[in-house]
Amino acid sequence: DAGITQSPRYKITETGRQVTLMCHQTWSHSYMFWYRQDLGHGLRLIYYSAAADITDKGEVPDGYVVSRSKTENFPLTLESATRSQTSVYFCASSESSRGYTFGSGTRLTVV
Amino acid sequence: GQQLNQSPQSMFIQEGEDVSMNCTSSSIFNTWLWYKQDPGEGPVLLIALYKAGELTSNGRLTAQFGITRKDSFLNISASIPSDVGIYFCAGPDYGGSQGNLIFGKGTKLSVKP
Repeated sequence: DAGITQSPRYKITETGRQVTLMCHQTWSHSYMFWYRQDLGHGLRLIYYSAAADITDKGEVPDGYVVSRSKTENFPLTLESATRSQTSVYFCASSESSRGYTFGSGTRLTVV
Repeated sequence: GQQLNQSPQSMFIQEGEDVSMNCTSSSIFNTWLWYKQDPGEGPVLLIALYKAGELTSNGRLTAQFGITRKDSFLNISASIPSDVGIYFCAGPDYGGSQGNLIFGKGTKLSVKP
């Protein structure tokens, strides 16, 4: 199916564990993004990528790692999860700044 | 840096009422986007505006690109329960990488049947 998919939809992990959130898009869009959404903060950009093998930090990158070896995939890894990383994470893709398409999100709880 | 200020932060309205919300910036934008986020889902693009003064409709939704290019407005007529959600405005991040958007913090809409 065409679109952008995130997995898992829900995840509970323990403090200190490494966890990877997956994002896959089928349009071959150049740009991909990771956001976190927290009450009172809106959408905050974690990392973005303009093309395969090109990534850059957003507003809140600390504690996160990304890679983009293939255009269609943009996984986000929390190297050592902390409670402050409990959030809803959204992946998005676009071909220009004329509009993103978002995934359905991953709700991550760190206990 | 660029910031988008949305108001109001939240609204509680009765079904059937009209809704107005706005987004302002200290910087000029050449594109304004409006997104809606349903509970438990990702934001979805509702309307895109590309020209100052432009007025664009999508069903009961109408958005306007302010003539100063520093603001945009979204109106919803005759609200229904499925209008519930968070509405975000967005515009290009001219200070960042090409292709990036910046988002307002959203207007949360609640509709009472």
